[in-house]
Amino acid sequence: GAGVSQSPRYKVAKRGQDVALRCDPISGHVSLFWYQQALGQGPEFLTYFQNEAQLDKSGLPSDRFFAERPEGSVSTLKIQRTQQEDSAVYLCASSSPNERETQFFGPGTRLTVL
Amino acid sequence: AQSVSQHNHHVILSEAASLELGCNYSYGGTVNLFWYVQYPGQHLQLLLKYFSGDPLVKGIKGFEAEFIKSKFSFNLRKPSVQWSDTAEYFCAVRPKAAGNKLTFGGGTRVLVKP
Repeated sequence: GAGVSQSPRYKVAKRGQDVALRCDPISGHVSLFWYQQALGQGPEFLTYFQNEAQLDKSGLPSDRFFAERPEGSVSTLKIQRTQQEDSAVYLCASSSPNERETQFFGPGTRLTVL
Repeated sequence: AQSVSQHNHHVILSEAASLELGCNYSYGGTVNLFWYVQYPGQHLQLLLKYFSGDPLVKGIKGFEAEFIKSKFSFNLRKPSVQWSDTAEYFCAVRPKAAGNKLTFGGGTRVLVKP
């Protein structure tokens, strides 16, 4: 596609529910990143994939957060047993060595946990 | 831990005024530097980037930034702003030794009054 797409754009969950957020990177981009952006703050790194390999998950805040990219393209960020502090915008970005790994961002998914 | 500081959280100025947004980082090694912009209701877009070479980088929409290694700074400037520059601006740093993840500053909200 022309850009990074994410779905859903908005998600409201009750505390304790599981959610799954999807990211479609730019076609051909090898690297994919997830960031969390709390209200009024800059994005914070969660995890990074190169193709299907998750190379860095140091930013995942707890074991309730899980990300996968099984075929090296679409990625899913799953949050289990959501808590109110999980409310944030979840951003996905992708990059390519052809552009010196400059990251291009999707529109984000705004998650609200009630 | 490495950090990125954007000293101004909010800036209000009139059209045709000059804009300078500060960005300082704490990492001592080789870094790549980025400025992203988020217009109201839109996703993060790349404004400009620095990898190496000329420390004065020109980006889109008349923006430029200067990398001063000795000051660990990468300030963003525009000589004459327009109402359409109203947005939130984020500085981001990618230390070469830390993989491809970005560390963002907290952002600066710029309001340009017509």
